[in-house]
Amino acid sequence: GAVVSQHPSWVICKSGTSVKIECRSLDFQATTMFWYRQFPKQSLMLMATSNEGSKATYEQGVEKDKFLINHASLTLSTLTVTSAHPEDSSFYICSARPPNTGELFFGEGSRLTVL
Amino acid sequence: GNSVTQMEGPVTLSEEAFLTINCTYTATGYPSLFWYVQYPGEGLQLLLKATKADDKGSNKGFEATYRKETTSFHLEKGSVQVSDSAVYFCALSDQGSSYKLIFGSGTRLLVRP
Repeated sequence: GAVVSQHPSWVICKSGTSVKIECRSLDFQATTMFWYRQFPKQSLMLMATSNEGSKATYEQGVEKDKFLINHASLTLSTLTVTSAHPEDSSFYICSARPPNTGELFFGEGSRLTVL
Repeated sequence: GNSVTQMEGPVTLSEEAFLTINCTYTATGYPSLFWYVQYPGEGLQLLLKATKADDKGSNKGFEATYRKETTSFHLEKGSVQVSDSAVYFCALSDQGSSYKLIFGSGTRLLVRP
């Protein structure tokens, strides 16, 4: 199947700093990617839909200025957690859908720990 | 709004036991239904799916039937293996929402030798 890769797989940062997470579709082009957040022992919550060449669409309750999403190319979307705080610590997962298919492929996830 | 409810885990079984993980949903229209599996240290993988009522999705010995009358999509396997130990997520997608998925809370399965 198609491959979606995230980097870094884990990151630890100090409170107040910004962290960037990359999501790449390795063998297909993706005009749309999705970013999720997973709390311990809870489900994945959709944060935003990343659209290549245009602004991301955020779900209700997600702070646009806190979670900056950039989808500058057909194979790369980035999520930047700005001025991170301990409550932003979580597992962030991206997914992408190859053209003309109904299946989403997920990255391995990126675990963020904010001290 | 649309939602998915799964049975709480963890579910602990002995090898070769029968598995059922319950999943019910609330949705307007006619969603597609999915089961995803997340093995330790890996990303989510699609296990099976069903796109309309009475469809049965199957893969790797797992099955689930789209039951519109009971709004359910229960996951079953006749004989589990240790390698099936993972977290299983039920999900639905509203076709009108660009394939956005709404997930259940996940059920951890632990299969003992």
